[in-house]
Parts: sequence; C-alpha cells; structure tokens
Amino acid sequence: ETGVTQSPTHLIKTRGQQVTLRCSSQSGHNTVSWYQQALGQGPQFIFQYYREEENGRGNFPPRFSGLQFPNYSSELNVNALELDDSALYLCASSPTGDSYNEQFFGPGTRLTVL
Amino acid sequence: GDSVTQMEGPVTLSEEAFLTINCTYTATGYPSLFWYVQYPGEGLQLLLKATKADDKGSNKGFEATYRKETTSFHLEKGSVQVSDSAVYFCALSDLTNAGKSTFGDGTTLTVKP
Repeated sequence: ETGVTQSPTHLIKTRGQQVTLRCSSQSGHNTVSWYQQALGQGPQFIFQYYREEENGRGNFPPRFSGLQFPNYSSELNVNALELDDSALYLCASSPTGDSYNEQFFGPGTRLTVL
Repeated sequence: GDSVTQMEGPVTLSEEAFLTINCTYTATGYPSLFWYVQYPGEGLQLLLKATKADDKGSNKGFEATYRKETTSFHLEKGSVQVSDSAVYFCALSDLTNAGKSTFGDGTTLTVKP
C-alpha cells in the first residue's frame, strides 16, 4: 500500500510568483486536506476536497486554491506569493468508513518565498 | 471555534524517565482526539487516537485518555527512549466539521541518553 506522496520536496519562489504543489493520496482514500505549517507552529487547515469538490475551507485568502482529480490526487495553487507564505505544506488523505476522521500525512513540501 | 492548547516546550528528559505532555481542548461538538508525532524533516504520523469520552488510545508505549469533564487528552509514556525525540502535536477533529483537524502548536521532546 503506497502512502501519501507530495512533490516537489522543496521549492524556492520569489514574491508575486505563483506555485503549484501536488499530492497523491493513499490508495482507497477519496478525501484530501491541505495544511500550512509555519516554523514552530502546528498545521493550519487550508481546505479539503471530497470527490473533486471543495468540502470545507479555513481562514486563507482566495489566492489559495485547489483541485482534486478523478484519481483523488490533488493540487494546491497559491497565486501572488507573499513572504509569509513560506512554510511546510502538508497534504493528508482520509479513508471512508469508521476511520474517516483519521488523516494520513505526506512528508510535505517546503516552500520558501524570497 | 475549536482550539487546542498544549503545554509549552521544549521538554528535555533522560532516557527511561516518565513523560507527560498536557493537552486541553475547546470544541462545540463531540470531537475525536489525536496525538501526532513529527520527526525531523518528515510529515506527521498518527500516534494514537480516542473517539469518545473515557476512551484510552495507546501505541508504542504511549497512552492518552479522553477526559470530557476536564476537556483534556494528556499524553503519557512510562519510560522514554532516545528514539522518542520528536515534536508531538495534539489535535481534534469535530464531527460538525469533519474535514478539518485543529492542531496545537506542538511540544518538542528531547531525550538524552
């Protein structure tokens, strides 16, 4: 069973640019959530996708957007990057059934905005 | 809204010492509670969970009991090892907002030989 994978591992961008981060969910999981983890803090919920539809959103501006594909993989897009967007971005997938609220995290993408 | 408060760290212990990391929460519904562990350079791994009051989650010698009366979910281990050095996050997931997990800020544990 393949776990959650994310790409790229690291990324450096400059302020104002756009970035796309990718996530492949664990086999059989149809729900994907994205989190932003600033240095020294806990992850903050960005949004969740379930069966290709956004299913909840945290306190992030519209320049943070996402997609989920029929194979349940997902993208996080961030436009007009700001310095404060520098963080570890975590993707987590969830199964259906009794363990629906149990999340399986990927290793993250470290984004640095200069 | 939902919130999780963890004891401030870092925590430094000697090998075989007893560990307690405090966690309290605020939630409007009936949340499930989790402890995650993050090793350097890695993502979060689920350590244990409890889904209702008085449930005890346990894994790898770690335990935590869901205490609704004190809104707490303290993490304990009787004898820590150097390999337990990591950052520990307490989190909740509320049925009324099943997509979102709310995390504490993490507690860094360092175990010295």
